[in-house]
Formats: sequence, C-alpha cells, structure tokens
Amino acid sequence: GAVVSQHPSRVICKSGTSVKIECRSLDFQATTMFWYRQFPKKSLMLMATSNEGSKATYEQGVEKDKFLINHASLTLSTLTVTSAHPEDSSFYICSARVGGTGGTDTQYFGPGTRLTVL
Amino acid sequence: QKEVEQNSGPLSVPEGAIASLNCTYSDRGSQSFFWYRQYSGKSPELIMSIYSNGDKEDGRFTAQLNKASQYVSLLIRDSQPSDSATYLCAVRRSSYKLIFGSGTRLLVRP
Repeated sequence: GAVVSQHPSRVICKSGTSVKIECRSLDFQATTMFWYRQFPKKSLMLMATSNEGSKATYEQGVEKDKFLINHASLTLSTLTVTSAHPEDSSFYICSARVGGTGGTDTQYFGPGTRLTVL
Repeated sequence: QKEVEQNSGPLSVPEGAIASLNCTYSDRGSQSFFWYRQYSGKSPELIMSIYSNGDKEDGRFTAQLNKASQYVSLLIRDSQPSDSATYLCAVRRSSYKLIFGSGTRLLVRP
C-alpha cells in the first residue's frame, strides 16, 4: 500500500504556543489529503479536507483560524494548531487519497501525531 | 440514526475461530466501503476495500457487501491474538470523505 508519514509523532507544548504537523505522501502524489482528530476510545472525526493548491474545506464546528491547513505541494500538507490550549490535546491523523478508476479510490493514513498541551 | 453503525463490542473469540464483524450504513447511494484495523495508540491501517455486492477475499480476511440491506461485514478466519484491535468500518461519500463507524473492539483469546 501507499506510505504516508507524519512528523512529529509526539509533541508537548505550553498553552498559547503554535504547533505545526506535517503529512507527507512518500511514494505517490496526493491531490487530496484529510486531517482527523481522535479522542481516547472514540472514533475518528474529520476536521478538514486539504486540496493541493486551494483552500482547505473545514467540517462544521472546526475553527479554520485555529487549525490552519496548507497543501503547498502534491506530497505535503501541514496542519498548524494556533494558540494551542489543553482542550486541543488529541491524536491528530492525516490521510492521503489514492485515486482509482470507477470510484475505487482509497485513503491511507499516516502514523498520527499525539499532541499534549500543558 | 448514525451514518455508519457498528457494535462497539468487545467481541471475544478463541484463537483459531472465525471473527465476524458487522456494519450498517444509512446512505443507500454509498458506493465504496472499507475496513480499517486500529491498534491502541496507533493510526488506522487499511485491511480491505469493497465496491460491489458479494464477497471479496484477501488471505484470512473476507469482506462481504450487501447494498440492498445496506450492510458490510468482515470475516477473519483462524483468528490470532495479534488480530486483537479495533476494527473501523468506513463508507465513502461522493466528496471522497470517509465516514467512520465507532469501531468494534475484537479480543482474540489465546
């Protein structure tokens, strides 16, 4: 399967600081990437869809000014959590879409970034 | 009604048995269906994808899709303790977004 990397894998920061998370598709080009967050023992919640060369599309209830997404190239999308607060502590996971014919596209996930805000 | 529903479990099976995981979805127009496995503290890993009615087999895994009844299932044959994880059912929307169920926790007893 396709390989997606994320960096960093774990980050601890002080309240009020900003944190940038990178998501890279290593062996394919991804015009579309997705950002999810997951709380303990909960399912994945889609935050936003990141399209290369255009603005991200945010899900209802997700603050776009707090969670800045940039998809500057076909292999890199970044999520910046601005002015992080303890309630932003979560597991952030990106995925990249691999296109297929006849609607057979698939999403492959990065390993995730665990953010802890003190 | 949730878009994608799964029994949270845990589903406990003995080693070597068949584990059967089920998922129902509400959008009758859905076309693409996926099963992901997620170990605790890790990100989801794609197990199977299925796009047409019937069965699709890959090693010990078989995905089954019945669009008329709006359900997808995953069978794991010869279950191993290493299969113990949470299994997430996902349905793709026309916008390429995946809608996930809450997951079923599987425990395979040695």
